[in-house]
Amino acid sequence: NAGVTQTPKFQVLKTGQSMTLQCAQDMNHEYMSWYRQDPGMGLRLIHYSVGAGITDQGEVPNGYNVSRSTTEDFPLRLLSAAPSQTSVYFCASSYSAGGTPYEQYFGPGTRLTVT
Amino acid sequence: AQSVTQLDSQVPVFEEAPVELRCNYSSSVSVYLFWYVQYPNQGLQLLLKYLSGSTLVKGINGFEAEFNKSQTSFHLRKPSVHISDTAEYFCAVTKIQGAQKLVFGQGTRLTINP
Repeated sequence: NAGVTQTPKFQVLKTGQSMTLQCAQDMNHEYMSWYRQDPGMGLRLIHYSVGAGITDQGEVPNGYNVSRSTTEDFPLRLLSAAPSQTSVYFCASSYSAGGTPYEQYFGPGTRLTVT
Repeated sequence: AQSVTQLDSQVPVFEEAPVELRCNYSSSVSVYLFWYVQYPNQGLQLLLKYLSGSTLVKGINGFEAEFNKSQTSFHLRKPSVHISDTAEYFCAVTKIQGAQKLVFGQGTRLTINP
């Protein structure tokens, strides 16, 4: 299994540009999430999904969109990039049976710079 | 809502010394607790988790943590650290009921000096 994969690894955008960060998992996990990591702030949840076709907002959703058309993929879209979105983005997935949370598996991250 | 406070942003220790990384949490409902490690330029890896049962939890790489409900703490310990333990460590919680939305602390950077 490849686990959780993210592309690209690095990206530089100009203010106002849009782009999609890709995330895929091959573990048939129900739950997928997007976090951003900023120095001194830990990781903060952007959006999450509890299954195909179901998404919801996390702590810092503004400026980001998600969709979940398949179990495997959970792309994160930046609609109009702003310098405040410069961060490292992590995708994670986990499986839950009967409501018990299991380990969340993290991807390697995408380092995004917005100039 | 849940919140997590990691009391030390940086912890320098000498190799083979013991270390404790402190984590306090706040929640009005029962939670599950986790410690994750992030090595330089990598994603996060689970060290250990507390779901129920014994309050002393053992994880990978010789780490352990103790859940203290009365003090709402989940401190991480290792009796003897190695250079390879140099990394950033994150404490996280999630509600027992509902979606698995992790709330992370700010992180503690552990530096091991020879």
